Order: sequence, then C-alpha cells, then structure tokens
Amino acid sequence: NAGVTQTPKFQVLKTGQSMTLQCAQDMNHEYMSWYRQDPGMGLRLIHYSVGAGITDQGEVPNGYNVSRSTTEDFPLRLLSAAPSQTSVYFCASSSTWGSEAFFGQGTRLTVV
Amino acid sequence: GEDVEQSLFLSVREGDSSVINCTYTDSSSTYLYWYKQEPGAGLQLLTYIFSNMDMKQDQRLTVLLNKKDKHLSLRIADTQTGDSAIYFCAESTSGTYKYIFGTGTRLKVLA
Repeated sequence: NAGVTQTPKFQVLKTGQSMTLQCAQDMNHEYMSWYRQDPGMGLRLIHYSVGAGITDQGEVPNGYNVSRSTTEDFPLRLLSAAPSQTSVYFCASSSTWGSEAFFGQGTRLTVV
Repeated sequence: GEDVEQSLFLSVREGDSSVINCTYTDSSSTYLYWYKQEPGAGLQLLTYIFSNMDMKQDQRLTVLLNKKDKHLSLRIADTQTGDSAIYFCAESTSGTYKYIFGTGTRLKVLA
C-alpha cells in the first residue's frame, strides 16, 4: 500500500522560480490538504480539497495554487518562489471529515 | 479563529511517565487527535478522542479531555527511547473539513 506519496523529497529553488510539488494517494480519499511545517509554528494549512474539482484556501494560501482534477492527485504550485517559502511541506488525505489523516513523507524546500 | 497551543519541549527519563499538554480555543471541536512525528517522516495518528468523552486508554497511552477548560493531555506510561519524537495535538470541527494543529511538543527521552 503506497498511501500518500509526495515528490520530490528535497528541492532547492532560486527566488522567482516556479515549481510544482506533487501529491498522490491511492486510498480513494475525498479529502486532501497541504500543510507547511516551520519551527515553532506547527503545521499550517495552505489549501485543501473536499473532492475532485473542489478546492479552498487554508490559513496561509498566498503564493500557492492548487487544483484537483482527479481524486488521486493534488499538486501544489509555487508561482514565484520566495525565501519565506522555505519550509517542509506535507500533503495529507482522509476518507471523510474527522477520520484519520494520512500524511506523506514531506518535501523539504529551500528557496535561496 | 481556532488555535491550538502546546509547550515546545519535554524531557523525561526512560521508564518514567510523560505527560504532554494541549489547549484549544474552539469550543465546537468534535474530534481531538494526537499525532507523532519521527525525524524525517510525516505524521502518524497515535490516538483520538471524541469530544463527548473524558478519557481514552490505549495500551501505554492515556488521553484526558477537560472540555470545560479546553485542555487535552496525552500520558505515555513507561516512556522508552523510541518514544522520542514530536507530538502534535490537533482538532477538527463538524463540517469544516479542517484539521487545526498545535505547534508540536518535542519529547526527548533520556536513557
């Protein structure tokens, strides 16, 4: 069982570059979300989706875009990377509201 | 808005009990969770409690919920070095599809 797969695991970007963080789950979960983890700040919700074609903003959405064209995939796009976006990014999925959230292994992003 | 707070660090000796505390602000929280994050890994669910419960026990883990004070705690009995990790408290509220996480408590177990 693959669960939630994130790629890449590590990435270094230059300021102003764009990139897409990939997230895929094979559990047929409706709910998917992206978080960033920064020291002393826990996990903050960036964007989430409650099903294919439906996305919404979380706590810190600025500078990020998402789309959900299929149930399985939920990519996160950085439009123009900034040093403030240096962080560890986690994708998570769950079957319904309130059920266990399954997390990917994370993507460590450094913007220089 | 909703907020979940935890102390950042806790250090205990192997074999002792650990108690990790969490406070939350949303009185309509329906589920409260404890997740564990080991170095370089994602988060894994340890246990959860429904808001109409006061206590839940699962082997070495005991969760206590004081809904009046909006206080959640996780007790780990007979703490082992393998329990060293970051522990996150989280809450979700009916119909919001959001999980709100705390800052995480880094537990260090001394041999």
